[in-house]
Amino acid sequence: GAGVSQSPSNKVTEKGKDVELRCDPISGHTALYWYRQSLGQGLEFLIYFQGNSAPDKSGLPSDRFSAERTGGSVSTLTIQRTQQEDSAVYLCASSLMGLATPETQYFGPGTRLLVL
Amino acid sequence: AQRVTQPEKLLSVFKGAPVELKCNYSYSGSPELFWYVQYSRQRLQLLLRHISRESIKGFTADLNKGETSFHLKKPFAQEEDSAMYYCALAVFGNEKLTFGTGTRLTIIP
Repeated sequence: GAGVSQSPSNKVTEKGKDVELRCDPISGHTALYWYRQSLGQGLEFLIYFQGNSAPDKSGLPSDRFSAERTGGSVSTLTIQRTQQEDSAVYLCASSLMGLATPETQYFGPGTRLLVL
Repeated sequence: AQRVTQPEKLLSVFKGAPVELKCNYSYSGSPELFWYVQYSRQRLQLLLRHISRESIKGFTADLNKGETSFHLKKPFAQEEDSAMYYCALAVFGNEKLTFGTGTRLTIIP
């Protein structure tokens, strides 16, 4: 079936503007993750949704970052008042719920964000 | 807190030679370890994970709890192995992945 999809694939914005990044997980996957891939920081965890539980927001770098997951499926990552250091590739991943061990995460193609 | 270390940013190996990409981790419990690979212009994908104990594309990785290592090995490198390799760790119950900084492997023809 279809894998994880993300949109847009590329986004160029001006410093101070808000952006929204979208993720469509694999159908039936209850867990959804956002990561950021940047030259200076490598791959960093941002936020994790699992079913109806409260999300793990421990990786969000500032209160300008927020995410929601509607209806247990599609997720939107919002960055308010973007800064140049927000420039990165934002990756979404999804997985089944682990029953006894962490499940494999399947990644989307990413959204490349450039803040001018 | 979990931590994953990949000491080599870049690794070049001749085709047909053995490959070893190093990965060390720190975590007090029993983590699950993964190797993810990103080929040029492709998405990040799972190569192999500890619990599966499989050999994928000729690669294997053994978890050494004494040395807290999960090195990736292949006896004979192929040109199509050129890619970015990430070692990652997850813990059951809080399954976010903690990644190493990655190793860019280049196979020299």
